[in-house]
Amino acid sequence: KQEVTQIPAALSVPEGENLVLNCSFTDSAIYNLQWFRQDPGKGLTSLLLIQSSQREQTSGRLNASLDKSSGRSTLYIAASQPGDSATYLCAVSGGSYIPTFGRGTSLIVHP
Amino acid sequence: GAGVSQTPSNKVTEKGKYVELRCDPISGHTALYWYRQSLGQGPEFLIYFQGTGAADDSGLPNDRFFAVRPEGSVSTLKIQRTERGDSAVYLCASTLGGGLETQYFGPGTRLLVL
Repeated sequence: KQEVTQIPAALSVPEGENLVLNCSFTDSAIYNLQWFRQDPGKGLTSLLLIQSSQREQTSGRLNASLDKSSGRSTLYIAASQPGDSATYLCAVSGGSYIPTFGRGTSLIVHP
Repeated sequence: GAGVSQTPSNKVTEKGKYVELRCDPISGHTALYWYRQSLGQGPEFLIYFQGTGAADDSGLPNDRFFAVRPEGSVSTLKIQRTERGDSAVYLCASTLGGGLETQYFGPGTRLLVL
């Protein structure tokens, strides 16, 4: 059974810092990995989708990398802003088409 | 609509009652997922539809939970004889084609069973 772990569980940083969120998974036989953002009381918003054949994806200040063999992904956020404050979740999908989610990293960026 | 919508946004019910939660996916999206999310946890898979049929319902916790998607668009999650442990946020997501594409989530229904 796939297990997804996200470290750290919570993070508080001053505005402007570059930061890295980590996601690890136990079964490397995945088709893709997605990073999501969830604001309090809201649904999830997809940030980046990395196919298993890809090494990384970039969108604006966000960069996600994938090392399938080691079961790891990182989400890099450059020049963090208070508006980046949210919970960030990663999810991996395998042959069953069913995503398995981590518990998320709760990020606070303070001015 | 432009995104996935879910109704109601909040539902308070008493233990033992029946509830229905509705999901309206993005128009044209063939795949639809239901998840349950408890505080401090990631979404937990319940059931996945491809068109009108349930492709995978392995996440439904017991036979009190049932979901339908009769016309391949709107889906309803039905919970019978609700229990306090059913209290959670129920999320719906849809994808354009197969299940390995970007998932678009609705805002969720917050269910509280008293």
